Amino acid sequence: GAVVSQHPSWVICKSGTSVKIECRSLDFQATTMFWYRQFPKQSLMLMATSNEGSKATYEQGVEKDKFLINHASLTLSTLTVTSAHPEDSSFYICSARSGGTGAGETQYFGPGTRLLVL
Amino acid sequence: KNEVEQSPQNLTAQEGEFITINCSYSVGISALHWLQQHPGGGIVSLFMLSSGKKKHGRLIATINIQEKHSSLHITASHPRDSAVYICAGRKTSGSRLTFGEGTQLTVNP
Repeated sequence: GAVVSQHPSWVICKSGTSVKIECRSLDFQATTMFWYRQFPKQSLMLMATSNEGSKATYEQGVEKDKFLINHASLTLSTLTVTSAHPEDSSFYICSARSGGTGAGETQYFGPGTRLLVL
Repeated sequence: KNEVEQSPQNLTAQEGEFITINCSYSVGISALHWLQQHPGGGIVSLFMLSSGKKKHGRLIATINIQEKHSSLHITASHPRDSAVYICAGRKTSGSRLTFGEGTQLTVNP
């Protein structure tokens, strides 16, 4: 199946710093990428949806100035957590979907990035 | 009521047993994903189906559109199958997924 990679796989940073997480689709062109956040023992929570070349659509309650998303190419999307605080510590997962709106389009998930803000 | 509901929440089995995880979903969902999340956190997409049945190795997924119900079966279960299994519904309009709460499966040797 298709492969989605994330980098870094884990990161520890000091409060107040910014952290960038990359999501790449390795063998297909992802017109749509999704960023999720997951707290321990909870389900994935969609943060935002990004389409290549356009602004991301953020879910209610997600601060767009705090979580900057860039989807500059069909194979790369980045999530930057600006001025990170301990409450931003979480597991961030991206997923990617190729073009088309048919029921046959599968979403492929990245391995996740574990962020710990001290 | 959640749009996607899974059962059971937790499931413990002995190696070799046949396992079934169920997922019910509401109107407006046109396709269902079955995902596997291992303790390390990474998520693997197992199946995406909108009708019928799919099989991959020891895994079988079925969906009944009329009853809005899907099942994931694991035959000859193995300890390495231990993971959280998540069903996620994709709405007819749009591309976002709605996730079930997940089923924690533990297969003991």
